[in-house]
Amino acid sequence: QKEVEQNSGPLSVPEGAIASLNCTYSDRGSQSFFWYRQYSGKSPELIMSIYSNGDKEDGRFTAQLNKASQYVSLLIRDSQPSDSATYLCAVHTGTASKLTFGTGTRLQVTL
Amino acid sequence: ETGVTQTPRHLVMGMTNKKSLKCEQHLGHNAMYWYKQSAKKPLELMFVYSLEERVENNSVPSRFSPECPNSSHLFLHLHTLQPEDSALYLCASSQSGVSSYNEQFFGPGTRLTVL
Repeated sequence: QKEVEQNSGPLSVPEGAIASLNCTYSDRGSQSFFWYRQYSGKSPELIMSIYSNGDKEDGRFTAQLNKASQYVSLLIRDSQPSDSATYLCAVHTGTASKLTFGTGTRLQVTL
Repeated sequence: ETGVTQTPRHLVMGMTNKKSLKCEQHLGHNAMYWYKQSAKKPLELMFVYSLEERVENNSVPSRFSPECPNSSHLFLHLHTLQPEDSALYLCASSQSGVSSYNEQFFGPGTRLTVL
């Protein structure tokens, strides 16, 4: 079983719609959860961090965490073509300095 | 300079060459990382340095040799690489510790091609 799982996509949503990206993880001791955005040919950019159950909102982005279900999600409201990228889920578990990444979900926002 | 910087941004080398990748962080962090990103694969953690000591080495071949002279600088020395080592090499930094959430910030990466 993969430690951090994401659907590779592509997830296609029309401009202005809500994009919903999902991630599950295997280690119940996981403490911190992150979403990174990566444009093609570029490095990952941290866009959201979440540490406790519930929702965390930042502009058009909302991260949702459910530790009982070992599930973290990212919602993007009013999706724009500039949101088209690969979104990486990362989980901080165990070893103090280690993040485990999923393979990423490719999002396409269509006009 | 701000954030995390990496040089060179692109590197083409033959299998017999020796080269080094450089990373510098301007965030006051105490931990630095090397990752490898290949097509269709998740980010692979190669090395972790915390407080200038190597704390993790994920079974990386000895043709990759890291060096961390201080908390702001990290090098990856390369020698006798193989074509399958061609990838994007990413450096990251974070503030590591008991009370830290370990948010990692990445540099722009070095695109390495081994001929």
